[in-house]
Amino acid sequence: DAGVTQSPTHLIKTRGQQVTLRCSPKSGHDTVSWYQQALGQGPQFIFQYYEEEERQRGNFPDRFSGHQFPNYSSELNVNALLLGDSALYLCASSVSAGYTFGSGTRLTVV
Amino acid sequence: AQSVTQLGSHVSVSEGALVLLRCNYSSSVPPYLFWYVQYPNQGLQLLLKYTSAATLVKGINGFEAEFKKSETSFHLTKPSAHMSDAAEYFCAVSDTNPSSASKIIFGSGTRLSIRP
Repeated sequence: DAGVTQSPTHLIKTRGQQVTLRCSPKSGHDTVSWYQQALGQGPQFIFQYYEEEERQRGNFPDRFSGHQFPNYSSELNVNALLLGDSALYLCASSVSAGYTFGSGTRLTVV
Repeated sequence: AQSVTQLGSHVSVSEGALVLLRCNYSSSVPPYLFWYVQYPNQGLQLLLKYTSAATLVKGINGFEAEFKKSETSFHLTKPSAHMSDAAEYFCAVSDTNPSSASKIIFGSGTRLSIRP
């Protein structure tokens, strides 16, 4: 049984560009959450999607947006990239049994 | 607002020695508490969780943690460290059972190093 799958694993973008990260949840999971983990810090909650709607959001600007598809997979979009957006982006899927995290996408903004 | 504080950004112990990673929490409601481990270039793996049942929680890989409400602490311990325990450890808190409706608040992490 595959766990949470994220793509791509690594990405390099230039300031001002836009990026899309993708997440396929664990089989049977219907909720997807996204976290940003800057170097040397703990993960910070970005937002959570359930039934294709954003259900909760952390303290992130509107440049961060997302989407959930009918098959529960999800995308994280970041517009107008800043150097400070460089981080590991983690996706976590869940159902009643709790979270399962993916291995993340390492985004580097230059 | 909920928060967790991990005391010590880096802990180094000898192989075979006791591992103690400290975590204090702040929560206005009965918390759910977690310890996660992160190996280099990997995601987060759940070690154990406290959900208001037994105060002493046993997890994977020989780790355990004790919930102490009077001290607002949830320290992680392992009697005998192995080289394979070297990793980053995160304490985390949620205000509800993290099923489909809650977010998890993470601490800043403690890097555990094991000396041969």
